[in-house]
Amino acid sequence: SQKIEQNSEALNIQEGKTATLTCNYTNYSPAYLQWYRQDPGRGPVFLLLIRENEKEKRKERLKVTFDTTLKQSLFHITASQPADSATYLCAPENRDDKIIFGKGTRLHILP
Amino acid sequence: GAVVSQHPSRVICKSGTSVKIECRSLDFQATTMFWYRQFPKQSLMLMATSNEGSKATYEQGVEKDKFLINHASLTLSTLTVTSAHPEDSSFYICSAPSGTGVDEQYFGPGTRLTVT
Repeated sequence: SQKIEQNSEALNIQEGKTATLTCNYTNYSPAYLQWYRQDPGRGPVFLLLIRENEKEKRKERLKVTFDTTLKQSLFHITASQPADSATYLCAPENRDDKIIFGKGTRLHILP
Repeated sequence: GAVVSQHPSRVICKSGTSVKIECRSLDFQATTMFWYRQFPKQSLMLMATSNEGSKATYEQGVEKDKFLINHASLTLSTLTVTSAHPEDSSFYICSAPSGTGVDEQYFGPGTRLTVT
């Protein structure tokens, strides 16, 4: 069965440093992968989508990579700020047109 | 950007009663909407896919007779939790695809259901 793993339940990063979050998936080959941000008590907010033929995608301080051989996506936040503290969810494309999320990584940016 | 609203944002009900949660796409049409449930410190679990004008598709393990979904128009889907029990207390979130040709989802703000 399809499996999504975000390897850190929680991650503490010093302000100003780069935060790197990992998403691994098994047993399928998504055509694209999405990253979302969720704040406590709120719905997720879309951040980035990267397609299987794209190695890297950037948006302001965010960068996502997609390695279809390793079945892995990395999500980077550069020059991290306390306001970046949130839970980040990855969602590889599901052939049934559904969005299935990983468990998420709670990121804490320490001032 | 596209906006999805949910109502109510919070609801407390007594065990055995039914609760309806509305999900609206405010400035776009959504033939498909998704309903998720999230327990504290857990990820979002997809419950069902709501299809305008047809029956919802439920994920394995989700009781369709307990979680009634109606998608009566292109901008409104409702989730009714019937005969609610304390274990149904959770955060319910809906989403709708952006319709831009990729499956970016717009999520509602969520509904916190507490069953006493």
